[in-house]
Amino acid sequence: AQSVTQPDIHITVSEGASLELRCNYSYGATPYLFWYVQSPGQGLQLLLKYFSGDTLVQGIKGFEAEFKRSQSSFNLRKPSVHWSDAAEYFCAVGGNFGNEKLTFGTGTRLTIIP
Amino acid sequence: DAGVTQSPTHLIKTRGQQVTLRCSPKSGHDTVSWYQQALGQGPQFIFQYYEEEERQRGNFPDRFSGHQFPNYSSELNVNALLLGDSALYLCASSLQGPTDTQYFGPGTRLTVL
Repeated sequence: AQSVTQPDIHITVSEGASLELRCNYSYGATPYLFWYVQSPGQGLQLLLKYFSGDTLVQGIKGFEAEFKRSQSSFNLRKPSVHWSDAAEYFCAVGGNFGNEKLTFGTGTRLTIIP
Repeated sequence: DAGVTQSPTHLIKTRGQQVTLRCSPKSGHDTVSWYQQALGQGPQFIFQYYEEEERQRGNFPDRFSGHQFPNYSSELNVNALLLGDSALYLCASSLQGPTDTQYFGPGTRLTVL
């Protein structure tokens, strides 16, 4: 069975500092991996996705993520955070195809301090 | 281009009642998936509809049922509501291609009293 672990429940960073959110997955084959962001009371917005190819993927809002098969990880990074990045971030793994059942982690809440 | 829309935005029901939630997919999308997000948790997959049939189902009881219409819109029905059904219900739409991505709506907040 597929699963996702986001070990950090809550992270606080200063505005302008760099950010890395951790994600570890369990899946038997090559995974389809996603990062979504959720603002309070809102739905999920796709930040980026990995299906195959280059293991460093670029997304919206200046985010990037790196797929590391040997570590079963797909960590999200941003070189300099903005106050508007404060939100809940979810990592997800897909099934055989990107549009099949997604299994989500429990999320990481990001707080930005001035 | 309209994204995924859901109605209603909020809903309050009492235990034992039945509820119907609605979803209109993003223009051009033919597949609809439903997720339940309890407070402080990540979304959990309920089921997916394609060509008006349930294509995949998560670990949810039969009290949760759905329907997809010819225009690809979808409904989620929950019978005999329990307090534990209180959650944000998210609809996502996509195409059927292997590299297609699910796009989420804003959700319906269901409160069961």
